Amino acid sequence: NAGVTQTPKFQVLKTGQSMTLQCAQDMNHEYMSWYRQDPGMGLRLIHYSVGAGITDQGEVPNGYNVSRSTTEDFPLRLLSAAPSQTSVYFCASVAGFLTGEQYFGPGTRLTVT
Amino acid sequence: DAKTTQPNSMESNEEEPVHLPCNHSTISGTDYIHWYRQLPSQGPEYVIHGLTSNVNNRMASLAIAEDRKSSTLILHRATLRDAAVYYCILRDGWGGSQGNLIFGKGTKLSVKP
Repeated sequence: NAGVTQTPKFQVLKTGQSMTLQCAQDMNHEYMSWYRQDPGMGLRLIHYSVGAGITDQGEVPNGYNVSRSTTEDFPLRLLSAAPSQTSVYFCASVAGFLTGEQYFGPGTRLTVT
Repeated sequence: DAKTTQPNSMESNEEEPVHLPCNHSTISGTDYIHWYRQLPSQGPEYVIHGLTSNVNNRMASLAIAEDRKSSTLILHRATLRDAAVYYCILRDGWGGSQGNLIFGKGTKLSVKP
């Protein structure tokens, strides 16, 4: 049981490039989400999904796309990277709606130059 | 989700108890109180949660005021590994976006040997 895995761990992009951050969980959780964390700040919600085929926007969705074709995977796509997207990105899945215990991945540190 | 107020930082000595306070004066009847912590360079980790009654688990205890406007996370014997940022979060147990967590800046706990 690997929990929540994220790849890559580190990434450097040039402005305007696109890429996909991968997230997978093997706990059969329906609910998954993406957060970003800027230096010295708490996490902010980008997008979330309540199940395969269903996604919705969080607090800071601009510049990001998501899709959920399977329960296990929830990739985050940066369409045209900007320096303002330099951040650490965390993926999470939720054990249960009422408990709300979220399991977080180790994060992807992204730098956009 | 209602907001919470936490001290920016706290210090503790190793092997002594730590009481981390959180104010949430605008809490609603369906809000659960969650605590997460984030160790350096890691994703957040679930600690404990509760609704009205005090809660204990292997990591910590959660003491909730009778009017629910404040709560305290108690680490019974702090270790160096407990040095982290601790987040107090309110989450609506009945909302449509049930898994979403709204992170503030949290309390940075330092533990001295």
